[in-house]
Amino acid sequence: DSGVTQTPKHLITATGQRVTLRCSPRSGDLSVYWYQQSLDQGLQFLIQYYNGEERAKGNILERFSAQQFPDLHSELNLSSLELGDSALYFCASSVGPGAAYEQYFGPGTRLTVT
Amino acid sequence: AQTVTQSQPEMSVQEAETVTLSCTYDTSESDYYLFWYKQPPSRQMILVIRQEAYKQQNATENRFSVNFQKAAKSFSLKISDSQLGDAAMYFCAYRSKGGSEKLVFGKGTKLTVNP
Repeated sequence: DSGVTQTPKHLITATGQRVTLRCSPRSGDLSVYWYQQSLDQGLQFLIQYYNGEERAKGNILERFSAQQFPDLHSELNLSSLELGDSALYFCASSVGPGAAYEQYFGPGTRLTVT
Repeated sequence: AQTVTQSQPEMSVQEAETVTLSCTYDTSESDYYLFWYKQPPSRQMILVIRQEAYKQQNATENRFSVNFQKAAKSFSLKISDSQLGDAAMYFCAYRSKGGSEKLVFGKGTKLTVNP
């Protein structure tokens, strides 16, 4: 158990819908990262937050948005869902922005868009 | 932009034998981190081993060791005395030392361990 929690574990929804994925980082970790794992694209970095502020952005679609709240939990919002958004979404956390800090991954949320 | 390539989509090994998974990467940076992550059927991403580019000594963690060739931009993972529990997807990953701490992953290698 990494100490990072993600809810829900599974999500099935229809095209055009909107969903919210939730992540709680390890106690004491200030940085949260979101990654998408799909068969087509592999594991890709989406976005990083540090202590409530966006720190880095990767291949995140405009239909996707995220935020980190004062209690440090983070939410990834996916809207106007398409079939191609079906993937495993991971949240990871680390102590801070320093590259030396290990990222601990949550168990992932499996999103299926039908 | 950095890229990571794993040229072996699948590998297999007999229990108790040794297997080596390959990884190459492309970067213009001189200092960075390299990682091997394991993803078993449970889907959990588990850090196996980490290498800092400025350290010439290859990292070792119990039965797992790496062969880091900086000039060749190669970072292979050797698993000794393979166990059934080693069966998983293995991902090689790169992380810059400055700027974003994002991980750049390879496509992965599926390792099967035969009894």
